[in-house]
Amino acid sequence: DTGVSQDPRHKITKRGQNVTFRCDPISEHNRLYWYRQTLGQGPEFLTYFQNEAQLEKSRLLSDRFSAERPKGSFSTLEIQRTEQGDSAMYLCASSRQGFMNTEAFFGQGTRLTVV
Amino acid sequence: GQQLNQSPQSMFIQEGEDVSMNCTSSSIFNTWLWYKQDPGEGPVLLIALYKAGELTSNGRLTAQFGITRKDSFLNISASIPSDVGIYFCAGSSIQGAQKLVFGQGTRLTINP
Repeated sequence: DTGVSQDPRHKITKRGQNVTFRCDPISEHNRLYWYRQTLGQGPEFLTYFQNEAQLEKSRLLSDRFSAERPKGSFSTLEIQRTEQGDSAMYLCASSRQGFMNTEAFFGQGTRLTVV
Repeated sequence: GQQLNQSPQSMFIQEGEDVSMNCTSSSIFNTWLWYKQDPGEGPVLLIALYKAGELTSNGRLTAQFGITRKDSFLNISASIPSDVGIYFCAGSSIQGAQKLVFGQGTRLTINP
């Protein structure tokens, strides 16, 4: 299967700890997105990369959040000093660049629980 | 900011019935996508729409991109148990599926 892969699938951490998630996009996709989804809501956009460049960040992405895509392939999302409000599903998606046929495909997500 | 209103929020139907759900936006979108999400999983793409008025089918699913560019609907015909899940509409004001705005989802429950 060559879909979007996320690791880990689940993470439980104590408040105040740092966590890092990884996303491996579909290999021929040069765009990579991070979304956050809380219970009963649709996903909310956090940030996206085109190749290694981070082109846009949502105001939802506080200073405690940082995302990287160093070689334009996989990406990491780090949350520092986690808070209980950070508990959510973190979803990664990827797509091709272009005006048509640029569907975004999602990974299975990383569910974060901050206790 | 942009918001999508998706309705209904939940549906309880009998197996074999047809289903219809829709999404409206306060602003114009250039791309509409419909996803299905099962518990604990990521959204799975069902249908993508890129042109106003476009009507696209994927098996028993049919979706349309509204002429005003501010709405879209999804129909499921002859529902089966595996259709159970949460359906999300998503739109992008940028041509191409970047930076999607999602609706709040329609939870579909099917009684056998």
